[in-house]
Amino acid sequence: GESVGLHLPTLSVQEGDNSIINCAYSNSASDYFIWYKQESGKGPQFIIDIRSNMDKRQGQRVTVLLNKTVKHLSLQIAATQPGDSAVYFCAEKRWAGGGADGLTFGKGTHLIIQP
Amino acid sequence: DTEVTQTPKHLVMGMTNKKSLKCEQHMGHRAMYWYKQKAKKPPELMFVYSYEKLSINESVPSRFSPECPNSSLLNLHLHALQPEDSALYLCASSQGPGIWELFFGEGSRLTVL
Repeated sequence: GESVGLHLPTLSVQEGDNSIINCAYSNSASDYFIWYKQESGKGPQFIIDIRSNMDKRQGQRVTVLLNKTVKHLSLQIAATQPGDSAVYFCAEKRWAGGGADGLTFGKGTHLIIQP
Repeated sequence: DTEVTQTPKHLVMGMTNKKSLKCEQHMGHRAMYWYKQKAKKPPELMFVYSYEKLSINESVPSRFSPECPNSSLLNLHLHALQPEDSALYLCASSQGPGIWELFFGEGSRLTVL
């Protein structure tokens, strides 16, 4: 089964509010996580990543928090805008030994912005 | 150029047809990927190419045949597909094996009749 999963399939927030999207993982050896945004009809777009030696990483209007104790990470979006409407996926690195790695994606959360 | 370009954007094919999906990047990336995405589902890894060599095949049926002619191009050859193969096929690239920021194309939406 998937080792990366999301708690809620849909999140509805008011424009201007902060959004928090959660993700749980099961592999305690996972050492890299990445958040993608996928707008309707488009491919996934990189938002931010974090390595397991960090607890927090900030980007432009986004913050990712990693809690290794409970194997949980979250994506916080400040002052949510209509353009933030999308499906958000957390993903973790696949460990493929000596070969090239890919990413394993969680189920996704659909973020809906209310005017 | 920071784009991954996929063609065609839409493809409709019958179960007896042979078609190909194409992917191109000019970022100098040495790892390229095919993902399959069904509606309202996350992308699922199909194939990984590293330095033009197939390094991962995630137990994909042989009716899907990948090809990497050079470091900029990635093809997915389709033959005798089933209706359940209808999906969005996403191509991605990264700087190389062990670099996990993947750049995705817009995808090719495939419908098998």
